[in-house]
Amino acid sequence: GAGVSQTPSNKVTEKGKYVELRCDPISGHTALYWYRQSLGQGPEFLIYFQGTGAADDSGLPNDRFFAVRPEGSVSTLKIQRTERGDSAVYLCASSPKVGGDKWETQYFGPGTRLLVL
Amino acid sequence: QQPVQSPQAVILREGEDAVINCSSSKALYSVHWYRQKHGEAPVFLMILLKGGEQKGHEKISASFNEKKQQSSLYLTASQLSYSGTYFCGTEPNRDDKIIFGKGTRLHILP
Repeated sequence: GAGVSQTPSNKVTEKGKYVELRCDPISGHTALYWYRQSLGQGPEFLIYFQGTGAADDSGLPNDRFFAVRPEGSVSTLKIQRTERGDSAVYLCASSPKVGGDKWETQYFGPGTRLLVL
Repeated sequence: QQPVQSPQAVILREGEDAVINCSSSKALYSVHWYRQKHGEAPVFLMILLKGGEQKGHEKISASFNEKKQQSSLYLTASQLSYSGTYFCGTEPNRDDKIIFGKGTRLHILP
């Protein structure tokens, strides 16, 4: 079966523009996570979905960032009025876990490299 | 409170052993270990939950000392495929978000 896929793989945009990053989780995985990784750093948690709802969005840095998962499968991370500091690799992960420890066995996608000029 | 990993980087010859440490200033519920190769996604290795149980498979194992708020990852008889950056992620309480360390870069020479 296919793993987690993310599109686009690379995105270059200008400061102030709006971007959408897409994540296709592994089929059947109910949990979905978004992380941001800057060069030389570990992944930084952004948001976690269980099904369609955002169970934990405490990692979103500000209200320019928003994510949706309307049908409980594909998720889109949306960034408004992008800033140069938003440049990073945005990673998506999914997990089959339903209930229990939400952090069990996350499978990461290849990431979207976002560059804001 | 980002966990501190040590060392920052390690260079080994194939077949040598390595230990990577992860320390937190806060009490922990769990510790997670991932490996990431350059340009690739992180790959899950294992989770250690409160209780001090040592986990592992084959030649990679880990321990979790709750009292010291530390975890160590042990790589025995390292293989070339072990090269990459190892991240620990800590969870202060159950259902908290994971906070990842800055990583330890491991390079295995033939």
